[in-house]
Amino acid sequence: EDQVTQSPEALRLQEGESSSLNCSYTVSGLRGLFWYRQDPGKGPEFLFTLYSAGEEKEKERLKATLTKKESFLHITAPKPEDSATYLCAVQAGAAGNKLTFGGGTRVLVKP
Amino acid sequence: EAGVTQSPTHLIKTRGQQATLRCSPISGHTSVYWYQQALGLGLQFLLWYDEGEERNRGNFPPRFSGRQFPNYSSELNVNALELEDSALYLCASSWGSGLGEQYFGPGTRLTVT
Repeated sequence: EDQVTQSPEALRLQEGESSSLNCSYTVSGLRGLFWYRQDPGKGPEFLFTLYSAGEEKEKERLKATLTKKESFLHITAPKPEDSATYLCAVQAGAAGNKLTFGGGTRVLVKP
Repeated sequence: EAGVTQSPTHLIKTRGQQATLRCSPISGHTSVYWYQQALGLGLQFLLWYDEGEERNRGNFPPRFSGRQFPNYSSELNVNALELEDSALYLCASSWGSGLGEQYFGPGTRLTVT
């Protein structure tokens, strides 16, 4: 069975203090790894898709990277508006199109 | 471009009743997915519909069912509601039935009392 584990569960940062979130996965045949941002009581907002090891994607202060066993979401010089829960999900060969999600990392950026 | 829409926003039901949740995908998307986000359990895959057919189902009992209409909108039905069905139900849509990102709606908050 596909498994996705995110760490840490929670992260408190000062504004401008860069950090990284980890997503480790165990799947049979990775087809895609996805990062989402979720604000309280709302649906997840799509951020990035990564398909193969070595791939990197960037958007504003966020950068996602992928290796064969894990992905990192780097937050550079975060602002309070970056406070949210960041979710990692995978699509794997045997599971069709369903997304298997990790538990998420709650990020709080203090001014 | 309009995103995924869901209705109602909130739904309060009594144990044993039935709930119907609705979803309209992004224009041009033919696949619709349903996920449950219960407190402390994370996002769990429920159902996947594409071109009107159920393509995959998560590890949920048969009282969770749904359908997809010719206009690609979808309905999730939950029968014989139990207290543990209280959760945020999220609908997502994607292009076709291939690999790719899924775009989520705002969710329906179902509360079972």
